[in-house]
Amino acid sequence: SQQGEEDPQALSIQEGENATMNCSYKTSINNLQWYRQNSGRGLVHLILIRSNEREKHSGRLRVTLDTSKKSSSLLITASRAADTASYFCATAFGDYKLSFGAGTTVTVRA
Amino acid sequence: SQTIHQWPATLVQPVGSPLSLECTVEGTSNPNLYWYRQAAGRGLQLLFYSVGIGQISSEVPQNLSASRPQDRQFILSSKKLLLSDSGFYLCAWSRTSGETQYFGPGTRLLVL
Repeated sequence: SQQGEEDPQALSIQEGENATMNCSYKTSINNLQWYRQNSGRGLVHLILIRSNEREKHSGRLRVTLDTSKKSSSLLITASRAADTASYFCATAFGDYKLSFGAGTTVTVRA
Repeated sequence: SQTIHQWPATLVQPVGSPLSLECTVEGTSNPNLYWYRQAAGRGLQLLFYSVGIGQISSEVPQNLSASRPQDRQFILSSKKLLLSDSGFYLCAWSRTSGETQYFGPGTRLLVL
């Protein structure tokens, strides 16, 4: 069963605007990861945040983690057309496995 | 650097036919390997994972099976495909369990 759930399901923004999406999960985690998937392609890892971290940055990406609320957010600043993709959160718990949410589809309009 | 290959990229098969999808990883040794299926517009469903040669764990009972004949080779098989087996199949690897996974380009399977 899926542990992580992204919100919203879809997001449409103007180029240059910021995009924020959220992920909620149910049980304690070791880490939480965000991935991007362009249409018809494999997933690309964006960022991993561990359970003892609260915020992480990578270029135009900012990820926060609130373990008390069992939630995470991904912020993409100054969006570009190339950011159009589906974004998935994945939670690592137990052994070996990641549990993926259903994803947020982001469309960046020129 | 590490790379992961999947083939074929696209496959159209009749119901009841066999299936063999192959995944190979280069540039690393003893990786954890994973097979996922993604239905259209949905998230990823973990089908199988392997932590070593000949070691396969199944997540979902179904008519699919997986094998790992070599350290960096992971094969997804079926003896008789069902319509419900259609989907996008992704192979991935990781250095250790629960850490970053690196995905292949995927195989789109259509069962008619």
